Amino acid sequence: EAQVTQNPRYLITVTGKKLTVTCSQNMNHEYMSWYRQDPGLGLRQIYYSMNVEVTDKGDVPEGYKVSRKEKRNFPLILESPSPNQTSLYFCASSPLDPKRTEAFFGQGTRLTVV
Amino acid sequence: SQQGEEDPQALSIQEGENATMNCSYKTSINNLQWYRQNSGRGLVHLILIRSNEREKHSGRLRVTLDTSKKSSSLLITASRAADTASYFCATDARSGGSNYKLTFGKGTLLTVNP
Repeated sequence: EAQVTQNPRYLITVTGKKLTVTCSQNMNHEYMSWYRQDPGLGLRQIYYSMNVEVTDKGDVPEGYKVSRKEKRNFPLILESPSPNQTSLYFCASSPLDPKRTEAFFGQGTRLTVV
Repeated sequence: SQQGEEDPQALSIQEGENATMNCSYKTSINNLQWYRQNSGRGLVHLILIRSNEREKHSGRLRVTLDTSKKSSSLLITASRAADTASYFCATDARSGGSNYKLTFGKGTLLTVNP
C-alpha cells in the first residue's frame, strides 16, 4: 500500500530538548516536504527536498533542520524546540513529473513543547 | 508566502445541497490541486487540474480553472454529512527549470448538516 509514515503521532517535550520526527515513503517519490499547520494560518511549508542530498527552505524554516540521505526518508529535526513550535506537522511526498504532482500526506505529528 | 487563498473560510449547508468553494492565486501555475482534510488528519488528494484545462469532473466533484483570473472553484454536488471536512487548494508553481513548489491555501471548512 502506497503510504507516507510519520512517527511519532503525538509528542510532548520540554523546551530545548532535541527531537526528531521521522518520515518515510514507499512510493519512490523524488519530492518530499514538511508542513506545519496552525489554526488560522493553514499549511505552511518548512523545508522541502527535490531529491537525495537536495534540500531547500520553505516559508518558515527557522528552528528546523532536515536531511535527505536516502530517497525514502526525510526526517525533521528540532535542535532546541521552543513553545512556538507547538503545532501539527505533516510530511508529504510527490513525484516530480509535471503531469502528476499529487502529494501524499502522512497522518501528522502533534507536537507540544512545554 | 500564501499562494492559494480559499473563499469562503467556512461554509455550512444542508445535506443534499451543493457546496462551492473558491480559490485565488497570484502567480503562474503548472497545475492546481484540491485536497480534503478530516479534522486533525492528513490531507487527501481529490483532484488535479492542469493549467491548460478549464474544467474537470470526478464523481460528485467538479473543478474549474480560470487562468486569466487566477482562480479555481470546487463544486461538490448532492453533499452528504460525510463530506464535512476542510478543503484546501494547492498550486504547483515552477520556477527556474525544474524547481517545484506546492503551496497550500488556508482552507475552507465545510459543514454538511444532516
